[in-house]
Amino acid sequence: DTEVTQTPKHLVMGMTNKKSLKCEQHMGHRAMYWYKQKAKKPPELMFVYSYEKLSINESVPSRFSPECPNSSLLNLHLHALQPEDSALYLCASSQERVRPNGYTFGSGTRLTVV
Amino acid sequence: AQKVTQAQTEISVVEKEDVTLDCVYETRDTTYYLFWYKQPPSGELVFLIRRNSFDEQNEISGRYSWNFQKSTSSFNFTITASQVVDSAVYFCALSEGMDSSYKLIFGSGTRLLVRP
Repeated sequence: DTEVTQTPKHLVMGMTNKKSLKCEQHMGHRAMYWYKQKAKKPPELMFVYSYEKLSINESVPSRFSPECPNSSLLNLHLHALQPEDSALYLCASSQERVRPNGYTFGSGTRLTVV
Repeated sequence: AQKVTQAQTEISVVEKEDVTLDCVYETRDTTYYLFWYKQPPSGELVFLIRRNSFDEQNEISGRYSWNFQKSTSSFNFTITASQVVDSAVYFCALSEGMDSSYKLIFGSGTRLLVRP
């Protein structure tokens, strides 16, 4: 299995809703990432988990809450989002230390906040 | 500070033309990695190539080739005999260090349109 699987693929939520994005990989990668990509922009790093511990938080607002329940799963909990948070949210994973193929990215969740 | 510049915002070519996508990077680190990713309309970022800072050998993979020149801090990507399926946004990216996890710094991307 050489994939990163993200669910759901599309999500529409209101500003008062609580929702979660899910990411799963079974490649034994010990680093997992959340990136946010606005239209016609490059991906921007949000969070990094290394060995299931949060190692980087790029000053992301607290309405985004990451969680890494185990080495294969990464969640992003969403609460009280704003319309400007509408974007493609990409999950990725990577091997520790050795980077033959860089990240493996999921296909993303397209989030629309209304 | 680390930075990746892709000066070409959009390129449009006719099928079978050759096209080169430019990438210029800035880093103070002596150990770093450079990547190219392809992002089709479906959204997934597809890995194309990795090059480390100690390996300046150019690489060819089918219709794709990459020219890495440390002297000019460039890592350019050429598609030979382009096809409509090559239409996508292409990102050049840089990572540094040897930590267990690492940050990818992306260029702004080049949108390639290959017309039939």
